[in-house]
Parts: sequence; C-alpha cells; structure tokens
Amino acid sequence: DAGVIQSPRHEVTEMGQEVTLRCKPISGHNSLFWYRQTMMRGLELLIYFNNNVPIDDSGMPEDRFSAKMPNASFSTLKIQPSEPRDSAVYFCASSVTVKLSGANVLTFGAGSRLTVL
Amino acid sequence: SQQGEEDPQALSIQEGENATMNCSYKTSINNLQWYRQNSGRGLVHLILIRSNEREKHSGRLRVTLDTSKKSSSLLITASRAADTASYFCATDGGGGADGLTFGKGTHLIIQP
Repeated sequence: DAGVIQSPRHEVTEMGQEVTLRCKPISGHNSLFWYRQTMMRGLELLIYFNNNVPIDDSGMPEDRFSAKMPNASFSTLKIQPSEPRDSAVYFCASSVTVKLSGANVLTFGAGSRLTVL
Repeated sequence: SQQGEEDPQALSIQEGENATMNCSYKTSINNLQWYRQNSGRGLVHLILIRSNEREKHSGRLRVTLDTSKKSSSLLITASRAADTASYFCATDGGGGADGLTFGKGTHLIIQP
C-alpha cells in the first residue's frame, strides 16, 4: 500500500482564493482525520469521518472551511475564501481501530503545505 | 486546547546517550501514543500504551505511564543521528474512532 496520499504537497495562493486539499486514505481504513499544524498552535484536529460520515467537526475554525468524504477512498478539505492566517501544514490521517485496546493508531500522509499571501 | 504537553520543548544530546521526553495530560485517557515527525514529513506511530499498563518496550524505546500523575515518558536508549526528529504524545480519551489530541512536541537533536 502506498500509504495515505495527499495532494498538493505545496500550494501558494493569494488571499481570497479557493483552496482544495485532497486525501486518499489507506484502503480498508474506516476513519479519516484532517489536522492542521502550525508553530504557534501545534497539531489541531479539524474534523474526522467514520465510514465516510463526519463525526466531529468542532475543530473546523470557521465557515470558510468545509470537508467532504464522498466515498471510502477520497476526501477533500476546502477553504473558501482563504486568508493569510490559514497558512499551515494540513495533514490527513487514516486509521482502523485496534479492537483489543479500542485505540486508533493513525497513519499520516506527508501533508500539504499551504501558504496564503 | 492541547491535551498533552511535552517537556522539554527541545533537547540536544550526543549520539549514544539516552534521551528522555515527558508528557503530561489533563483528562482521563484510554490510551496514550507516541509519534515521531521528521522534518517535512508526516507523523509516524511509535508505540501505544493502554491506561492499565505501566510500562512498555519496543526496541530502543521504553514508555512509562502514570495515570495517577497524568504523565508519560518516552526513553530512547543509545540514541542515533537518525533519531533526530520531533516527538509527540497523543491521547485518546474516548477510544473507538475518536480523533487523537496531540501535544506540541519535543524537538530532539542528536549530535554526531
């Protein structure tokens, strides 16, 4: 398996533009997570899906952010309109619950580095 | 808000020495995990310890958990230059399919 695949790896855009980040989770994983990483705030959980259904989007900062998971092999995170403070590395991660412990062991993608000018 | 807080924020040691990083958290947990992040990369899972476990080993890694103090430590023995990375603890309060809450990490530098 190629792991969790994210695209684009880098994106530079101007304030006000729409940004779409994409993620392909590991086949067979039934949970998908979007995180944002900045120096100031560290890793923040934005939203997660279980079996393609959004479970908790309380970490989504504003209505400008939206996420979808139309099927088990694809998810998008969209920012419209983008602002300079959205500049960060956005990570997608997927998991399958470890039944014995009830824990999620996450496999992360390489991230999408977003710069909004 | 951050659930886990790693200490120290940065650590620089000589190759071959042991590195110890600590993590404190605030609420009850089911499991605690440690992840590593190399520069420019995604996080990689290292080890998981359940709330009813006190110590766990994996290769050169040793993790302890003290639920009464809400703290964990990660020990890397006989460090190597390749261990240079940031290390994060992550807590899983709800179990199941819930997301993990990460601390801000300890940046470890191994001097050759």
